[in-house]
Amino acid sequence: DGGITQSPKYLFRKEGQNVTLSCEQNLNHDAMYWYRQDPGQGLRLIYYSQIVNDFQKGDIAEGYSVSREKKESFPLTVTSAQKNPTAFYLCASSIVGQPNQPQHFGDGTRLSIL
Amino acid sequence: DQQVKQNSPSLSVQEGRISILNCDYTNSMFDYFLWYKKYPAEGPTFLISISSIKDKNEDGRFTVFLNKSAKHLSLHIVPSQPGDSAVYFCAASDYQGAQKLVFGQGTRLTINP
Repeated sequence: DGGITQSPKYLFRKEGQNVTLSCEQNLNHDAMYWYRQDPGQGLRLIYYSQIVNDFQKGDIAEGYSVSREKKESFPLTVTSAQKNPTAFYLCASSIVGQPNQPQHFGDGTRLSIL
Repeated sequence: DQQVKQNSPSLSVQEGRISILNCDYTNSMFDYFLWYKKYPAEGPTFLISISSIKDKNEDGRFTVFLNKSAKHLSLHIVPSQPGDSAVYFCAASDYQGAQKLVFGQGTRLTINP
């Protein structure tokens, strides 16, 4: 069964600590994305990647970093520079070159600050 | 600058009736529009989409209408069912190789028995 797996489902971070959120997909999609959702708001794009070893900043990249060493994996690191990291983080993937193909989402990771 | 807006935070509809969710956008470069449905603590699930070359797309109980001159789209659900209760997000994209989606704030739909 193809899909996107995000782990962990819940994550707690201490002040000044970096944390890494995992995202794995077995849909053979080239493009992967990270979004952040805050209460009462829509999803905002953090980073995206269209191909292995390449990624671009989205609208709110400050305080975050990513890597794309494998097609299946797109981990997101929330650094200590991110001043308001408490949010629901969603990973998505899609086919490249076919604009009418929708993004598929994982079930998210909720990050909280201790 | 909110490029995609859903002005109704919530909507309550009687079971069996039509639900109409609305979405407005400002960027005339958007050429692809999608609706996603989201349950609490889960990721959004794709519902239906429409290309800017069309003004209507239908899939079962779900129909999306696009009015390009008004920069407005709407999602119609008929008949509404209790399982339709969720948050609905509209999203838009000006496809440039990657599908960079811009989302609205979401509308919480509640279907009453």
